[in-house]
Amino acid sequence: KAGVTQTPRYLIKTRGQQVTLSCSPISGHRSVSWYQQTPGQGLQFLFEYFSETQRNKGNFPGRFSGRQFSNSRSEMNVSTLELGDSALYLCASSSTGSSIYGYTFGSGTRLTVV
Amino acid sequence: AQKVTQAQTEISVVEKEDVTLDCVYETRDTTYYLFWYKQPPSGELVFLIRRNSFDEQNEISGRYSWNFQKSTSSFNFTITASQVVDSAVYFCALSGYSGAGSYQLTFGKGTKLSVIP
Repeated sequence: KAGVTQTPRYLIKTRGQQVTLSCSPISGHRSVSWYQQTPGQGLQFLFEYFSETQRNKGNFPGRFSGRQFSNSRSEMNVSTLELGDSALYLCASSSTGSSIYGYTFGSGTRLTVV
Repeated sequence: AQKVTQAQTEISVVEKEDVTLDCVYETRDTTYYLFWYKQPPSGELVFLIRRNSFDEQNEISGRYSWNFQKSTSSFNFTITASQVVDSAVYFCALSGYSGAGSYQLTFGKGTKLSVIP
């Protein structure tokens, strides 16, 4: 079956702009988590959505937001971009979000803020 | 708070050598899961293994083996007879329950493995 699809793969944005990233989970999976990966901070949890509801949120400013649609596809939005938002954004798909079933990651979206 | 430490930042080995990647974790949870992921240059995290805190049985899968020791909070990963294709960044991760049915992964900083032909 198809894996986790993240679009776009690469993005270049200007400071102050906003950006929307998309993640389509594995068919049948209802949980989508987002992670930010930077050289300095490593991989950090952003938030998790399950059945269109945000269940958990990491320690990120309110400029980072997300949503999940009825087909389980998820988007994350970053407003008023800062240089420090340059990162690889990864989403993880899980059937229920429980660790019992594990997580499948997409290839990520590499965001560069200039 | 949960924490995962991968003390080895970078390791270089010559092809066919064995290599062990170390992982030490901290958690107050009694039930938790540990993971190893591989990240090739393409960027995606490739799942390698998952272990729950009640399963200390070590496992060998092909050239990979894992050593989980709860007494020392360690979950080490060994590649036997390394190959150039094993070159990647390897992440150890700990899953903890965050409430409301949600879990999140806490990752170590990763170990970059370079296998030299």
